[in-house]
Amino acid sequence: SAVISQKPSRDICQRGTSLTIQCQVDSQVTMMFWYRQQPGQSLTLIATANQGSEATYESGFVIDKFPISRPNLTFSTLTVSNMSPEDSSIYLCTSQTPNKETQYFGPGTRLLVL
Amino acid sequence: GENVEQHPSTLSVQEGDSAVIKCTYSDSASNYFPWYKQELGKGPQLIIDIRSNVGEKKDQRIAVTLNKTAKHFSLHITETQPEDSAVYFCAARSFGNEKLTFGTGTRLTIIP
Repeated sequence: SAVISQKPSRDICQRGTSLTIQCQVDSQVTMMFWYRQQPGQSLTLIATANQGSEATYESGFVIDKFPISRPNLTFSTLTVSNMSPEDSSIYLCTSQTPNKETQYFGPGTRLLVL
Repeated sequence: GENVEQHPSTLSVQEGDSAVIKCTYSDSASNYFPWYKQELGKGPQLIIDIRSNVGEKKDQRIAVTLNKTAKHFSLHITETQPEDSAVYFCAARSFGNEKLTFGTGTRLTIIP
């Protein structure tokens, strides 16, 4: 299974600021995804991070608010822009190899916006 | 799109007893069904998965069953232990679609 790390593991931010979350996978993967998990809730897909092209966003999520980069097959970043308290959540990245259906999750980034 | 419902939302089980969590899905084209366990302060961890060409899969104390006709699948945990206490999520994915749709989660508490 792929080993995924995320930085930072947690942060407390002021409203109006932005935070960039990094996701590193220990092997080359085709698909990387970013999820949001609000307190006590399930997992909601934000976007698919495509290598070499723009991310594909789900309904309700826009590039201006959640810009994503994927410069290579092992790394991606998610930025939460112009934060408000409603952005307080756990942000998780996942990876999926082309010959396997399984998605593995990173440990998550716990964000609190004051 | 796919819709996954999960029941119950909370479940308390005496240590040593069995626990069963059920999920239903809406898209008959779904062909992959993983289960994740999320402990407090951690990311979800894959514990077992099943594909639509199989009706049941077991891994030690954990088993998953799939009924394609009824479009439901279940997680069975036998001989439960305190370390089984966590939130469990089911998910489904349709053929040709890379995205997973998750259930709403079940908080399982094992009572010593």
